[in-house]
Amino acid sequence: DAGVTQSPTHLIKTRGQQVTLRCSPKSGHDTVSWYQQALGQGPQFIFQYYEEEERQRGNFPDRFSGHQFPNYSSELNVNALLLGDSALYLCASSLSTERLFFGEGSRLTVL
Amino acid sequence: GQNIDQPTEMTATEGAIVQINCTYQTSGFNGLFWYQQHAGEAPTFLSYNVLDGLEEKGRFSSFLSRSKGYSYLLLKELQMKDSASYLCAVNPGTNDYKLSFGAGTTVTVRA
Repeated sequence: DAGVTQSPTHLIKTRGQQVTLRCSPKSGHDTVSWYQQALGQGPQFIFQYYEEEERQRGNFPDRFSGHQFPNYSSELNVNALLLGDSALYLCASSLSTERLFFGEGSRLTVL
Repeated sequence: GQNIDQPTEMTATEGAIVQINCTYQTSGFNGLFWYQQHAGEAPTFLSYNVLDGLEEKGRFSSFLSRSKGYSYLLLKELQMKDSASYLCAVNPGTNDYKLSFGAGTTVTVRA
């Protein structure tokens, strides 16, 4: 049983560019959440998707957007990248509101 | 807002016991999670407390006092592989689907 898978694992972008990160949830899970984890910090909630809709959003600007597909996989898009967007982006899946299962993350470096 | 505090670093000797404290002040409360995160890896679930008291699971135990806004994670018979960051996270409550994380406690186990 595959767990949560994310791609790409590492990527480097320059300021102003756009990035798309992808996530496939654990089999049977219908809810996907995205978190940003800066170095030495705990994960910060970006948003959660359920039934292809954004169910809740954290304190992140509109440059951060997402999508959930009918197969429950999800994408996180970040436009107009800033240096401060450099972080580990974690995708977590769950069955409704139960405990989260995290992927290995996508490490984004913005130069 | 949410405020979750835990010590930044702790060091202990192999075979010893370490207690990681977490205090929280949140707008609501619907459970507290502990996650373990090895460097460069995804957070993995350790425990979930929603009622007061001690939950024991092998070498790891977690305690919750809702009236005091306090939890601790107890790691017994420490092993080198327990060197990791330990994240305390609170589920604020009904219709709030995000987890609010502390910054994490880095535990170093020495031989």
